[in-house]
Amino acid sequence: EIVLTQSPGTLSLSTGERATLSCRASQSIGSSYLAWYQQKPGQAPRLLIYGASSRATGIPDRFSGSGSGTDFTLTISRLEPEDFAVYYCQQYGSSPITFGQGTRLDIK
Amino acid sequence: EVQLVESGGGLVQPGGSLRLSCAASGFTFNTYTMSWVRQAPGKGLECISYISSSSSTVYYADSVKGRFTMSRDNAKHSLYLQVNSLRDDDTAVYYCARGPDFYYYMDVWGRGTTVTVSS
Repeated sequence: EIVLTQSPGTLSLSTGERATLSCRASQSIGSSYLAWYQQKPGQAPRLLIYGASSRATGIPDRFSGSGSGTDFTLTISRLEPEDFAVYYCQQYGSSPITFGQGTRLDIK
Repeated sequence: EVQLVESGGGLVQPGGSLRLSCAASGFTFNTYTMSWVRQAPGKGLECISYISSSSSTVYYADSVKGRFTMSRDNAKHSLYLQVNSLRDDDTAVYYCARGPDFYYYMDVWGRGTTVTVSS
């Protein structure tokens, strides 16, 4: 099983700042099959990024994904008030599908 | 509008059973892999089961294998999860989610249905 470790656990930033979230895999993820999701309290997760770097439909271009192998990053270039949420990475390159434990992005 | 609507959750005693349903609309249901993802209170996400468009591939997480059964009815645009022998640690919000066939990320999610296992 591929274990995904997200860091930091909590990130406190201000609106307008740049956010960098990390997702590290315990073994290489084939074909960069990594996705990122955003979840707000009381809501379902929302797909942001798939294939490590492809933005999902309707996702603003301030969200970008990068990385390969075992190290992946989600970058939010300029934080908007609605971006404060919990972010999860997920690998779907090998069974079982696994998620990271999440990074909480808080308003500073 | 693409939509997934779950139903069937509730309060059940340990050892009990429920049948969760997910009604899909707004897309060609029979061309997508469908998944059930759960989230225990205050915890992260766990993909517990998925089924390919033609039902040729069905996956279960070890945590539910032998107790949960996933199925789909493409004619009715519906997804099901029969949950048996429920345990306290099955308490969670259960989300139905859609993904491209044989690519197991989830691009559309329902709002979830809550299962609470308690005596």
